[in-house]
Amino acid sequence: DAGVTQSPTHLIKTRGQHVTLRCSPISGHKSVSWYQQVLGQGPQFIFQYYEKEERGRGNFPDRFSARQFPNYSSELNVNALLLGDSALYLCASSLGRGVYTQYFGPGTRLTVL
Amino acid sequence: EDKVVQSPLSLVVHEGDTVTLNCSYEVTNFRSLLWYKQEKKAPTFLFMLTSSGIEKKSGRLSSILDKKELSSILNITATQTGDSAIYLCAVGDDKIIFGKGTRLHILP
Repeated sequence: DAGVTQSPTHLIKTRGQHVTLRCSPISGHKSVSWYQQVLGQGPQFIFQYYEKEERGRGNFPDRFSARQFPNYSSELNVNALLLGDSALYLCASSLGRGVYTQYFGPGTRLTVL
Repeated sequence: EDKVVQSPLSLVVHEGDTVTLNCSYEVTNFRSLLWYKQEKKAPTFLFMLTSSGIEKKSGRLSSILDKKELSSILNITATQTGDSAIYLCAVGDDKIIFGKGTRLHILP
């Protein structure tokens, strides 16, 4: 079975631009969460989606938004990119909300110049 | 504010040694505590501990949850160079909070 997939693997943008990152969960998983990981830190929670609705949000500005589609895949959008948005963006899927293990995708490395 | 604190932040030991990694937490909503191993990119799942499952073991790795002390430990016995990685602890509910991780380096 395929694991969590993310695209693209790497991305270079300039300040002020917009970016869309994509995630496909493990088959059968209905929940997708997004994390930002900067060097030397643990992943920071951005969003969780379950059954196409936002179920949790971390402390990120409104420039960050996401959505989940009927097939449970998800997109993370970041507007007006800042240098500080450079990070590894990880997507994790789980069967449902709450007490379920989250399985991570390989991540998208975003560099903002 | 919810927080997860891991210690030590960095650890260097020799192959064959036993290590204990610590995780303490203060979160509003607790449903589970998870341990992950991160080598290159994606964290890989090790254990999940909940109120109904406070002790887990897999091979040389084991973990215990102490709900009274709001903490957990991850033990690795007979360490190998392949155990070198960052070990992450995460706690929460719909909102998962990660610690900064413990960077473990095993010397041959």
